[in-house]
Amino acid sequence: DAGVTQSPTHLIKTRGQQVTLRCSPKSGHDTVSWYQQALGQGPQFIFQYYEEEERQRGNFPDRFSGHQFPNYSSELNVNALLLGDSALYLCASSFFRDRRATNEKLFFGSGTQLSVL
Amino acid sequence: DQQVKQNSPSLSVQEGRISILNCDYTNSMFDYFLWYKKYPAEGPTFLISISSIKDKNEDGRFTVFLNKSAKHLSLHIVPSQPGDSAVYFCAAREKDSGNTPLVFGKGTRLSVIA
Repeated sequence: DAGVTQSPTHLIKTRGQQVTLRCSPKSGHDTVSWYQQALGQGPQFIFQYYEEEERQRGNFPDRFSGHQFPNYSSELNVNALLLGDSALYLCASSFFRDRRATNEKLFFGSGTQLSVL
Repeated sequence: DQQVKQNSPSLSVQEGRISILNCDYTNSMFDYFLWYKKYPAEGPTFLISISSIKDKNEDGRFTVFLNKSAKHLSLHIVPSQPGDSAVYFCAAREKDSGNTPLVFGKGTRLSVIA
């Protein structure tokens, strides 16, 4: 049973460039959430996708956008990269119906380490 | 403004002893709490959780205690093993009125010394 997979594992970009990160959810999961983990910080919620729509968004600027495909995989796009965007980007998947019991446990991928120079 | 606080960046414990990791929160709407463990180059993995209707939840060597009046929870690991060395994140969520995201603390790095 494949877990959450993310690509690429590492990425180096320069300021002003654009980047796309990819995520495939765990088998059987239909909801994808993206988190940013800066150095020395905990993961911070960016947004969540379910049924190909953004369902909830954290406190991130519009430079951060996403997409979910019919096979539940997802992309995170960041435009006009800033030095402060350097972080580990984590994708987490879950099954939407599980959240009704409020005991939803997110399954995380290993992340994409983005460095902006 | 941090809603979930882990005030100890690091903790060292001898193998076989108890590890106690602490977490405080400020949002009274949080009603479900989780602990995640993270090894280097891996994503966080779920460890244990507790609902606000309970004050204790146990799973093997791991026990989470919740003190709602103090807005404090703790994770106890007994006995600690070298393989427990990792970063531990405390996370919380509000009552589910839709898709409430997890709010994480900054983490505590646990080192278990053999």
